[in-house]
Amino acid sequence: TQLLEQSPQFLSIQEGENLTVYCNSSSVFSSLQWYRQEPGEGPVLLVTVVTGGEVKKLKRLTFQFGDARKDSSLHITAAQPGDTGLYLCAGAGNGNKLVFGAGTILRVKS
Amino acid sequence: DAGVIQSPRHEVTEMGQEVTLRCKPISGHNSLFWYRQTMMRGLELLIYFNNNVPIDDSGMPEDRFSAKMPNASFSTLKIQPSEPRDSAVYFCASSLELAEQYFGPGTRLTVT
Repeated sequence: TQLLEQSPQFLSIQEGENLTVYCNSSSVFSSLQWYRQEPGEGPVLLVTVVTGGEVKKLKRLTFQFGDARKDSSLHITAAQPGDTGLYLCAGAGNGNKLVFGAGTILRVKS
Repeated sequence: DAGVIQSPRHEVTEMGQEVTLRCKPISGHNSLFWYRQTMMRGLELLIYFNNNVPIDDSGMPEDRFSAKMPNASFSTLKIQPSEPRDSAVYFCASSLELAEQYFGPGTRLTVT
């Protein structure tokens, strides 16, 4: 069974601080996706990383896929209250299903 | 594009009643997924369809749950009979060729 572990589970920071969320597994994934979910809404896709070592930037968000395609990180620079939400990583594995991590709840205080 | 459409957005029902959740995927997408999200278990895949055919239903909790996709633009998830432990948010998602998934707004189900 493929599993994805996310850390930390919960993060509360002040506006302007930097943070990193980690997503780790012992399994190899063909691709990995990051989603952001706000209360009362469905997850919204932020990015997909496919190649080992790949780095993608989306404004203040930087996503990295591990060289072995088993782990990934999301780094947010100068966090803002609008970044508050649940961040989910999901790996594409067996049978093209997505395996989701448990998520990281981020709260950015102004 | 309207995105994935789910109905109802909220459903409150009594234990033992039948519940039917509905989903309209994004036009042109050929894969559809049903998920359940709870605080305890996170986001769980229940079943997914590819070209209207159920491919993997290993996540369906038990025989009380069933899903159909009669055509490319409509799917249902039915729970009969419902139980309090089925209370959760149910999401439908669609994708093109099993790639990036786009989620609907979810149906919050409460079974009393």
